[in-house]
Amino acid sequence: GAVVSQHPSRVICKSGTSVKIECRSLDFQATTMFWYRQFPKKSLMLMATSNEGSKATYEQGVEKDKFLINHASLTLSTLTVTSAHPEDSSFYICSARDASGTDYEQYFGPGTRLTVT
Amino acid sequence: GQNIDQPTEMTATEGAIVQINCTYQTSGFNGLFWYQQHAGEAPTFLSYNVLDGLEEKGRFSSFLSRSKGYSYLLLKELQMKDSASYLCAVTDSNYQLIWGAGTKLIIKP
Repeated sequence: GAVVSQHPSRVICKSGTSVKIECRSLDFQATTMFWYRQFPKKSLMLMATSNEGSKATYEQGVEKDKFLINHASLTLSTLTVTSAHPEDSSFYICSARDASGTDYEQYFGPGTRLTVT
Repeated sequence: GQNIDQPTEMTATEGAIVQINCTYQTSGFNGLFWYQQHAGEAPTFLSYNVLDGLEEKGRFSSFLSRSKGYSYLLLKELQMKDSASYLCAVTDSNYQLIWGAGTKLIIKP
C-alpha cells in the first residue's frame, strides 16, 4: 500500500525557535497533502491543504505566518512552526492523496510529536 | 453546517461483537471512511463506503445508508488489540474529509 513518512517523529524545542516537519509520499505522487493537528483525546483538526506548486489553503483560525507550508515537489511537503510557543505543543499528522487514485483516500504519515519547552 | 456524530466511548468484552454508529450531515457526499487510531499513533485506514450496503473485510464490516446519513462499523471476535479510537470521516462535495470526534473503544477481558 501507499506509504507516507514524517520526520522527525518527535521533537523538543525551546520557546521562540522554529521547527520544520517533513512529510513524504514514498511510493506515489501526491498532488495534495494535508496537515492536521491533534490535541489529546480529540479528533483531527485540519490545518491546511497543501497543493504542489501553489500556495497552501489554510483553514479558518490557522495563522499562515506561524505555520508555513511548502509543497515543492510531488512527494514532499513541509510544515514549519515558526517562533514556537508551549501552546503549539501537539501531535502533527500529515496525509497525502494519491494523484492517480480514484477513491480519494488519504494516506497518513505516522505523526510528529512536538513539545515546546 | 457540517456535522458528524459518533458516540464518545464504548465498552465491549473480548470475543464479543460491537457496532459503532456514525451519523453525518454534510454538504455533499463522496464517500465515508472509517479509521482506527491507537493512542499516540496516526490513524490507519479500515474501510471506505461510497455505495449503500455492507462491506465486509475480515473481522471488520462497514455499512452505509446514504438516504439516512448513517454508517456503522461492526467489529467481530473482539481482541484486546482492538482497543483504540475509531474515527468516522466523510468526504464532502469538495472532496475534503470531515472528521467525527472519534469513538474510544475499551475492550475488557
